[in-house]
Amino acid sequence: NAGVTQTPKFQVLKTGQSMTLQCAQDMNHNSMYWYRQDPGMGLRLIYYSASEGTTDKGEVPNGYNVSRLNKREFSLRLESAAPSQTSVYFCASSEDRWTGAFFGQGTRLTVV
Amino acid sequence: ELKVEQNPLFLSMQEGKNYTIYCNYSTTSDRLYWYRQDPGKSLESLFVLLSNGAVKQEGRLMASLDTKARLSTLHITAAVHDLSATYFCAVDPRNYGGSQGNLIFGKGTKLSVKP
Repeated sequence: NAGVTQTPKFQVLKTGQSMTLQCAQDMNHNSMYWYRQDPGMGLRLIYYSASEGTTDKGEVPNGYNVSRLNKREFSLRLESAAPSQTSVYFCASSEDRWTGAFFGQGTRLTVV
Repeated sequence: ELKVEQNPLFLSMQEGKNYTIYCNYSTTSDRLYWYRQDPGKSLESLFVLLSNGAVKQEGRLMASLDTKARLSTLHITAAVHDLSATYFCAVDPRNYGGSQGNLIFGKGTKLSVKP
């Protein structure tokens, strides 16, 4: 049971470079999320998608774009990376309130 | 704006002792979740609390929810070293039905259990 799979696990970017973080879930969940985790800050929502074809901004969307490619996949793009985007990024998915969200293993991104 | 506050943020305790972590939130919600995170790892779901007065227990951990006080507690009984981790509470701000929304997380409580 793969659950939520994120790629890559680690990435180093130079300031101004772009990249896309990939996320796929095999649980047939409708909702998917991207969070970032910074020391002492908990997790903060970047974007979410309540269903295929829809996306909404979360608490910290600036500098990011997302694509809900299909029900399984939800990608996060950094168009022009900045050092402030150095963080650990988690993708999550959920079906309903009864189970809450399931998280991927995270992507540790460093922007130099 | 929904705020979720956990305290304490750091907790060092001895094996065998009891302690409680508190999670306060600033708006009405009947959906609260507790997660555990080990260093360098992902988040693991511990408890799902979906109504006022809900109580869930798993091993040495017990979680409860008081929606009127906007408070959830995570009680640790007779702590053991394996419980050392960071614990997060998260609140879903959409209430009383409707589709699953996003989660607002507390900053986490880093628990260290020492022999």
